[in-house]
Amino acid sequence: DAGVIQSPRHEVTEMGQEVTLRCKPISGHDYLFWYRQTMMRGLELLIYFNNNVPIDDSGMPEDRFSAKMPNASFSTLKIQPSEPRDSAVYFCASSLIGTDQPQHFGDGTRLSIL
Amino acid sequence: AQKITQTQPGMFVQEKEAVTLDCTYDTSDQSYGLFWYKQPSSGEMIFLIYQGSYDEQNATEGRYSLNFQKARKSANLVISASQLGDSAMYFCAMRDFSSGGYQKVTFGTGTKLQVIP
Repeated sequence: DAGVIQSPRHEVTEMGQEVTLRCKPISGHDYLFWYRQTMMRGLELLIYFNNNVPIDDSGMPEDRFSAKMPNASFSTLKIQPSEPRDSAVYFCASSLIGTDQPQHFGDGTRLSIL
Repeated sequence: AQKITQTQPGMFVQEKEAVTLDCTYDTSDQSYGLFWYKQPSSGEMIFLIYQGSYDEQNATEGRYSLNFQKARKSANLVISASQLGDSAMYFCAMRDFSSGGYQKVTFGTGTKLQVIP
């Protein structure tokens, strides 16, 4: 079975540009999560969706960040305008409902803002 | 207080030896779940093992086992017969309702394990 698929794997762009990260969750999973990982802050939950509906976006750092899930098989995380401090690895994860269900992670997008 | 504490930033283990990675947690919930993930240098996050708060037996998955001590609020990962491919960051994580919704998972800061030939 295909796992969580993220694109692109790497993104290098200049400050001020719009960045769009994409995620395809595992088919049939009810939940989708966006995380950011940095050396300083570790793994941070940015936002999560249940059945395409955003449930908690309290981790989104500021208005420059937005996330959508237009259907069960696709989600985007957008940063506009991007800043050097947004440089990080961004992970998408999905899971089934259930307390014992693990989150399955994509390979991540390594984002560098110059 | 930190919800998940991993006190060992880095550890070394000899190949073929067993190693224990420590994890303590803090929750007031009676129902919660504990997870361990592995992150090799290539960057992906790999789910290893799960322990539920009501599980009476310690979880095991191949060479991985979880030493769950509920009263002490610890959930240590034991890797038996270490292999070079076990060199990675290991994250302990917890899902509990008081995190603000039962699907949220809180991750620890990780332990970097290096296996020495």
